[in-house]
Amino acid sequence: SQQGEEDPQALSIQEGENATMNCSYKTSINNLQWYRQNSGRGLVHLILIRSNEREKHSGRLRVTLDTSKKSSSLLITASRAADTASYFCATDQRGAQKLVFGQGTRLTINP
Amino acid sequence: GAGVSQSPRYKVAKRGQDVALRCDPISGHVSLFWYQQALGQGPEFLTYFQNEAQLDKSGLPSDRFFAERPEGSVSTLKIQRTQQEDSAVYLCASSRPFRLDEQYFGPGTRLTVT
Repeated sequence: SQQGEEDPQALSIQEGENATMNCSYKTSINNLQWYRQNSGRGLVHLILIRSNEREKHSGRLRVTLDTSKKSSSLLITASRAADTASYFCATDQRGAQKLVFGQGTRLTINP
Repeated sequence: GAGVSQSPRYKVAKRGQDVALRCDPISGHVSLFWYQQALGQGPEFLTYFQNEAQLDKSGLPSDRFFAERPEGSVSTLKIQRTQQEDSAVYLCASSRPFRLDEQYFGPGTRLTVT
């Protein structure tokens, strides 16, 4: 069974607006990563945040991590039509060699 | 360099048929992972190899699923007597040893069981 819960499950916004997605997990982790998946395509790694970090930026992406609440958020600023995709958080648990993914957020950017 | 490749990209099988899905990892990546992604869901871990050794197969849903990596490079995921619930995208990923922060995914094989 999957560990991560993501909300919202679907998000539709206008181009230029900011999009925020949230992820919660259940166990202690080493890292949390966010991936993007375009329809019918593979997963593309976006950003990684380590368990001892609280915030990280990469271009238009901002990720936060709250290990006390076991939650993370992904903010995409100034959204573009090309950002339309599904976004997944993934955690790696201490002592396990695998990634545990959330159910994903389907983001639609309307032009 | 080349990324992770998977073949076939699409496979349609009649219920009860056996299928074999292939993964070519990035050259030099000793860790290889298989995930199953049902429609509208996130990927779920199936199994993990370090070189040719299958170190974790806890995610394989039944004994109809079998994975191998005999020479420590190419891997094959075999599903015997396919069922409709096996319909999913099967993703392969590879990485350097113990580098879950550098896992590279292939495009996946979409399996449809009719």
